Order: sequence, then structure tokens, then C-alpha cells
Amino acid sequence: DVKVTQSSRYLVKRTGEKVFLECVQDMDHENMFWYRQDPGLGLRLIYFSYDVKMKEKGDIPEGYSVSREKKERFSLILESASTNQTSMYLCASSLTGLREKLFFGSGTQLSVL
Amino acid sequence: GNSVTQMEGPVTLSEEAFLTINCTYTATGYPSLFWYVQYPGEGLQLLLKATKADDKGSNKGFEATYRKETTSFHLEKGSVQVSDSAVYFCALEYGNKLVFGAGTILRVKS
Repeated sequence: DVKVTQSSRYLVKRTGEKVFLECVQDMDHENMFWYRQDPGLGLRLIYFSYDVKMKEKGDIPEGYSVSREKKERFSLILESASTNQTSMYLCASSLTGLREKLFFGSGTQLSVL
Repeated sequence: GNSVTQMEGPVTLSEEAFLTINCTYTATGYPSLFWYVQYPGEGLQLLLKATKADDKGSNKGFEATYRKETTSFHLEKGSVQVSDSAVYFCALEYGNKLVFGAGTILRVKS
């Protein structure tokens, strides 16, 4: 089975801090995604990547950036965390040609105080 | 734009009851449609999908039929179990991305 691992389950940071969320997948998937999940809003796509060193903006990229230096790792960066970025962050991956079948990590609950 | 609307929850049912979770969509063209499920403490996982009108997706006793005329993809199960308690997300694919609904919490009591 595909495993998508997010580095932290819970994270507490202060306003203005630079925050790194890490995601690693072990099945050589080309595509990787970052979503945030908020009650009543569902999942919203922040950024995605179809290949190493490639990235594309999703629907809500403001305040975030990403890095994909290796195929298995996709990092989400909050350059200067703000309280409205308190959320559950979900990483996902998929094979090219099966983009609709996403494999998700368990999520990182980020609280920005 | 492309969007998905799900019925608000939580939905609370007794074991062996019939389940319907409504989902309607707005999209240009004819997107593929999906149901994902998120069990407590876990990431989402694909439950079923349908890629064209009148297709029926099914898995683990759950079914959903792609209805173009009503732009709907309602999830149904004839007899729910306590282990079905989870959050259910309807989604559509456009531009090689998935758009998710807000999710519906299902609670099944024994």
C-alpha cells in the first residue's frame, strides 16, 4: 500500500514564524498536492506538483510556498504564519494517469497563536 | 465555476438504517465524480467513482449514480454499520485537479 507520511500530527506556532510542513510518499508517485481542510469549507487546494522542481498554484496559494527537490518529498512553507492559517493540512499523492485517485496522509493540525 | 455542494451534517443513524448523502455539482462539461471517505484520525481515501453519465460507482456496499439531468451524485447504502462512521466527501475532477465538497459527518449508533 502507498504510504504518505506527514512529519507532524500537531504543530503549534506563533504569528510571524516561518513554518515548514513536510510530506513524504514511498510509491514513486509523480503528483503531489497540499490541501487545507476547514469545517464547512471542505478541502481547498493550496499548491500541487507534477514533477520534481515543478509547482503550480491551486485555489488558495496566498501566504504559502512549496518546495519539491526530490520526487518523494513535497514541503509546504508558511513564510510568516498568521492566525487565519490555523487549519488541518493534508498532503496527497497520485500516479500520472490516475490523478483522481489520491492517497492522503493523516494530516497536520496547525495552530497559529 | 466548478463546485460541489453536499448536504449538511451531521447525519445520525441507527445500525442497519438506510443511508443517503446528497451531492450536487456545478461544472462545465462532464467531469468525473467521486466519493472519498475519512475515518477518524486518518487521511481521505477513495470510496467510489463514476466517469460518465448514468455510470454507477460501488464499493463496500455503497453506491452512487452519475445523474447528468439533475447534476447529482448521491451516496447510498442499504444498511449502515457502526464502522461506517466517518466524514464523506463528494468531489469532481476538472483540469486534472479535484474539487471537494464541504464533507458530511456520518454517525452510526449501535
